[in-house]
Amino acid sequence: DTAVSQTPKYLVTQMGNDKSIKCEQNLGHDTMYWYKQDSKKFLKIMFSYNNKELIINETVPNRFSPKSPDKAHLNLHINSLELGDSAVYFCASSQSGDSPYEQYFGPGTRLTVT
Amino acid sequence: GQNIDQPTEMTATEGAIVQINCTYQTSGFNGLFWYQQHAGEAPTFLSYNVLDGLEEKGRFSSFLSRSKGYSYLLLKELQMKDSASYLCASQTGANNLFFGTGTRLTVIP
Repeated sequence: DTAVSQTPKYLVTQMGNDKSIKCEQNLGHDTMYWYKQDSKKFLKIMFSYNNKELIINETVPNRFSPKSPDKAHLNLHINSLELGDSAVYFCASSQSGDSPYEQYFGPGTRLTVT
Repeated sequence: GQNIDQPTEMTATEGAIVQINCTYQTSGFNGLFWYQQHAGEAPTFLSYNVLDGLEEKGRFSSFLSRSKGYSYLLLKELQMKDSASYLCASQTGANNLFFGTGTRLTVIP
């Protein structure tokens, strides 16, 4: 009964490769997010999807492409991986509306590019 | 623009009280969140404030002053398991969270 799950947990790959990270939530939320946490532990929003529509794209390189087949899933595909992409990527989900809603985070995917 | 400042590291003794401060400059501010993150784990929600004042949840309390752009997280009766990073985050617009770099708290016996 995991609320937000991600696969894989660890990903080691070489520069130039293409990889995907999958995320699923079973909380019935209609908004999902991708965050990147770098080596300095700074957690930064990358994308947000509300009911399968992109609502945030925080100047992320277009090598990163989120895909949401339905509101319970938000996958992240990364093309032509670079050394600087090494980080922990967190998926999160929340309700949406006028009030602030807490976000629930997945366990993270540690990506290492060599 | 968005900016959040919080101390990088703090140390406190088991059983004591510690206050972690956060100042923010945020356009379109909706509310202030606090998350806890243990090493190697995901952030987990602790509390949020929308209006000025103190919100208490067990051993944890959070305070907000919107006019001063200031918040703090108060942890009482510290336990060893409270050693973690504490992330202050301002919310703007459509549930967009802007996080600070976090305060790493070490609880010592």
